[in-house]
Amino acid sequence: EPEVTQTPSHQVTQMGQEVILRCVPISNHLYFYWYRQILGQKVEFLVSFYNNEISEKSEIFDDQFSVERPDGSNFTLKIRSTKLEDSAMYFCASRTGHQNTGELFFGEGSRLTVL
Amino acid sequence: QQQVKQSPQSLIVQKGGISIINCAYENTAFDYFPWYQQFPGKGPALLIAIRPDVSEKKEGRFTISFNKSAKQFSLHIMDSQPGDSATYFCAASPRGGKSTFGDGTTLTVKP
Repeated sequence: EPEVTQTPSHQVTQMGQEVILRCVPISNHLYFYWYRQILGQKVEFLVSFYNNEISEKSEIFDDQFSVERPDGSNFTLKIRSTKLEDSAMYFCASRTGHQNTGELFFGEGSRLTVL
Repeated sequence: QQQVKQSPQSLIVQKGGISIINCAYENTAFDYFPWYQQFPGKGPALLIAIRPDVSEKKEGRFTISFNKSAKQFSLHIMDSQPGDSATYFCAASPRGGKSTFGDGTTLTVKP
């Protein structure tokens, strides 16, 4: 069964450092997302990406985040100048382009710990 | 208007009982209402979803009830099992738009 894969599974970084999280969405999917989940809290939308450009982004996105699709398979989230409160699980998700389903397929997440 | 409000925050049910989780929304542009199940250390996974043209959808032990006029929808888990213990998120999205998630409900099913 096709799945969304994310790397690394866990990254520890020092405050102020830059972090890149990587995702390989399901191959025939057209919409890509990053969400984050602070421990025990809700799943928070960060950004959606379609047709090689950002289609929606959260209010906090421009402060610290950027996304790229550097090739036909990878989808990356860059977090600039990390802060303690950026410690969270970051989930990549993708979905097909079919309008009759909005199902998101999530990866297993990348746990970011900022020290 | 983008919020999805979910309750209760946590729920404890005996094995064999019925688990009920409720969600409410405000944005009338939402047209897809999924429920996701999340186990510790895993990403959310779609459990069941509904569109507003029907009032109920059932898949096995899981049922979504949808009340369009009240802008509410709920998840019912019949014959709850210990393996159902997880966090459940409702979500809502407009056609082609991002999914907005509820705060989550931690379900514990006691044997």
